[in-house]
Amino acid sequence: GQQLNQSPQSMFIQEGEDVSMNCTSSSIFNTWLWYKQEPGEGPVLLIALYKAGELTSNGRLTAQFGITRKDSFLNISASIPSDVGIYFCAGQLEGGGSNYKLTFGKGTLLTVNP
Amino acid sequence: NAGVMQNPRHLVRRRGQEARLRCSPMKGHSHVYWYRQLPEEGLKFMVYLQKENIIDESGMPKERFSAEFPKEGPSILRIQQVVRGDSAAYFCASSPLPIREAFFGQGTRLTVV
Repeated sequence: GQQLNQSPQSMFIQEGEDVSMNCTSSSIFNTWLWYKQEPGEGPVLLIALYKAGELTSNGRLTAQFGITRKDSFLNISASIPSDVGIYFCAGQLEGGGSNYKLTFGKGTLLTVNP
Repeated sequence: NAGVMQNPRHLVRRRGQEARLRCSPMKGHSHVYWYRQLPEEGLKFMVYLQKENIIDESGMPKERFSAEFPKEGPSILRIQQVVRGDSAAYFCASSPLPIREAFFGQGTRLTVV
């Protein structure tokens, strides 16, 4: 099946630091979504990107849809302890017939030390 | 407006038993999706249903797994004769249209002993 390579797998940072994570694929995506999942909970949508080159912010979070349509990154600025969780990228492959089906990366586990 | 409700949150079954997972979509949502998450993995698409119809079950194993979304009541994901490899978190999502930005429930964590 299609794969999304998400990196890094995990990050340990100090409160106040900035964070960057990314997803890459060998396939073209027409949508990129970034989710956060906390222990025992379901994924919560953070940012959705629909066009190549699009740069979107949500508070301290910023994400971009890569120009090649094969990658995306998420930045978190000035991290705080409640940013702890697993961050997933998810994409929708280009092509008709399955505009609802998401392909997920394996996640980036973020730990923030106060 | 309540979110996507899944129950039970945790389910323990012995090998060979049946597991039945329920999902009540958000009010006004008629599109339901089921995903499975293995430990330390991302979510993987299983099945997409509209009311009374299975639209896409390409991600669901052909044997032992079935899903339904009746006219009345929640969507059900049924796993017959469970095996240890079925242990995972099962998430349901819903949307008002067949769109990508579905809302996820809190999941059902199935443990097969």
